[in-house]
Amino acid sequence: QKEVEQNSGPLSVPEGAIASLNCTYSDRVSQSFFWYRQYSGKSPELIMSIYSNGDKEDGRFTAQLNKASQYVSLLIRDSQPSDSATYLCAVGNYGGSQGNLIFGKGTKLSVKP
Amino acid sequence: DAMVIQNPRYQVTQFGKPVTLSCSQTLNHNVMYWYQQKSSQAPKLLFHYYDKDFNNEADTPDNFQSRRPNTSFCFLDIRSPGLGDAAMYLCATSRDRYSYEQYFGPGTRLTVT
Repeated sequence: QKEVEQNSGPLSVPEGAIASLNCTYSDRVSQSFFWYRQYSGKSPELIMSIYSNGDKEDGRFTAQLNKASQYVSLLIRDSQPSDSATYLCAVGNYGGSQGNLIFGKGTKLSVKP
Repeated sequence: DAMVIQNPRYQVTQFGKPVTLSCSQTLNHNVMYWYQQKSSQAPKLLFHYYDKDFNNEADTPDNFQSRRPNTSFCFLDIRSPGLGDAAMYLCATSRDRYSYEQYFGPGTRLTVT
């Protein structure tokens, strides 16, 4: 059973701090990794994609991938109250139906003013 | 703007009364997905289409059916909704079967009374 594990939280950080969200996955052959942001009652929104080991930066967001450790993380710098949401980690299911994703249950982030 | 549209956004149905949810997309993506998401859970894939090629997940109940009459539209039919089918239903698309980036519509919140 392929799994994506995330700490459910809630993770609480003060405004302006760095929020660090972590995810581990079980399938060694996975090559595609994504972070989705989901506000309460809304649908997931794709915010970051990463395919190679190392860091990928986009504005205040940095995704980090370590395939050897099967670990992917998302850093949010200068956290704002508007970043308060659930963050879903998703991993490409390369051994199963092509194009499918395996989702973690998400980490709930709360940014306190 | 290219997008994924779901109608209705909120649907109330009675126990056992058939209901149809719709999804349309202007992204011209080849692949369309239907997910079910319950509170504090990961999205659960129900089925997906590669173009007109239908793929059903092994644990999707027979009560759930889908149609894709053309590239732009996809429908989710719940033949006899039970109380346990109350959830957010999410439609997503991806460019083709080799692309793992999925883009979600706003979702339909289904209530069963």
